[in-house]
Amino acid sequence: DAGVTQSPTHLIKTRGQQVTLRCSPKSGHDTVSWYQQALGQGPQFIFQYYEEEERQRGNFPDRFSGHQFPNYSSELNVNALLLGDSALYLCASSFDRGELFFGEGSRLTVL
Amino acid sequence: AQSVAQPEDQVNVAEGNPLTVKCTYSVSGNPYLFWYVQYPNRGLQFLLKYITGDNLVKGSYGFEAEFNKSQTSFHLKKPSALVSDSALYFCAVRDMVSSWQAGTALIFGKGTTLSVSS
Repeated sequence: DAGVTQSPTHLIKTRGQQVTLRCSPKSGHDTVSWYQQALGQGPQFIFQYYEEEERQRGNFPDRFSGHQFPNYSSELNVNALLLGDSALYLCASSFDRGELFFGEGSRLTVL
Repeated sequence: AQSVAQPEDQVNVAEGNPLTVKCTYSVSGNPYLFWYVQYPNRGLQFLLKYITGDNLVKGSYGFEAEFNKSQTSFHLKKPSALVSDSALYFCAVRDMVSSWQAGTALIFGKGTTLSVSS
């Protein structure tokens, strides 16, 4: 049983560009959450998707947007990249109030 | 404001000795508390959670945590440390203000690096 899978694992962008990160949840999970983990910090909640709708959002600007597809997979989009967006982006999936299962993350470097 | 504090950036312990990783929290209402572990270049792995019930919670890999409401603490413990326990440990609390579904929208501490020497 595959766990949470994320792609790409690493990517480098320049300021002002746009990036799309992808996540496939653990089998049987229907809720996907995204977190940003800056170097030396704990993960920070970006937003959560359930039934293809954004249900909750953390303190992140509108440059951060997402989508959930009918198969429960999800994308995180970041527009107009800033140097400060460099971080490990973690996807987590869950089902029916269960624990979060995290993927290994996508490491974004913005130059 | 809701928050989690991990007062120690690093904890060093010898293999076979007991370990404690400290966590304090500040939330409104009853807290939902979690511990996760992160190995280098890996995602976070769930260790244990406290929702309600016994103050001593047992989790994966021999870890346990003690919930203390009066001290607003949820310290992670293990009776006998292993070198393989060396990793980054995160305490987290559910965002009780805006959380839509239990177990999501977690607020994490900054993490504590546990180093177990042989």
